[in-house]
Amino acid sequence: DADVTQTPRNRITKTGKRIMLECSQTKGHDRMYWYRQDPGLGLRLIYYSFDVKDINKGEISDGYSVSRQAQAKFSLSLESAIPNQTALYFCATSDLPRGITGELFFGEGSRLTVL
Amino acid sequence: RKEVEQDPGPFNVPEGATVAFNCTYSNSASQSFFWYRQDCRKEPKLLMSVYSSGNEDGRFTAQLNRASQYISLLIRDSKLSDSATYLCVVTFNNDMRFGAGTRLTVKP
Repeated sequence: DADVTQTPRNRITKTGKRIMLECSQTKGHDRMYWYRQDPGLGLRLIYYSFDVKDINKGEISDGYSVSRQAQAKFSLSLESAIPNQTALYFCATSDLPRGITGELFFGEGSRLTVL
Repeated sequence: RKEVEQDPGPFNVPEGATVAFNCTYSNSASQSFFWYRQDCRKEPKLLMSVYSSGNEDGRFTAQLNRASQYISLLIRDSKLSDSATYLCVVTFNNDMRFGAGTRLTVKP
């Protein structure tokens, strides 16, 4: 089983709908992240959380919200989806600050299409 | 100017070739540097960290040039399985910035 699990893996929705992407991890990491990936733009950080009570905006947080329900769970919501939010979304965890590598461990991605 | 820039490629090389990618970054105070590999429709995975002294892992060599603000990745004796997109990652104060990636295709 994957250490970082995202659901759903694929979703097609309509403009204006509320969408939630969920992420759970079994790595025991405190830090969790949500990224989106668009062709030619690379991965851009939406939100990140260093622990359950610490949530921070990333580069492109407008139109998104997050919830850190527990150390292992971090969900991303689109309150009213719009077509330019069509993208591949990745959840990731990091072993910092206790770890030394700073490596990001990614889920398999959630492909979202907004019509 | 993007904070982290990479040549998008694609680089198309024959098996056995040596190929090099560069990545430039704009923040001179950047602290950590990494190369990630992403296969088509898959998640990125860490390939290697990049140290000031340079480091090697088998056929892969990473270099950092702080004065010129770039990192490089050299792949020797390319294999078909090296075909992927290679992402440069630069970190400053826990903020990790990704390049858009360089696509490599290794052909028989």
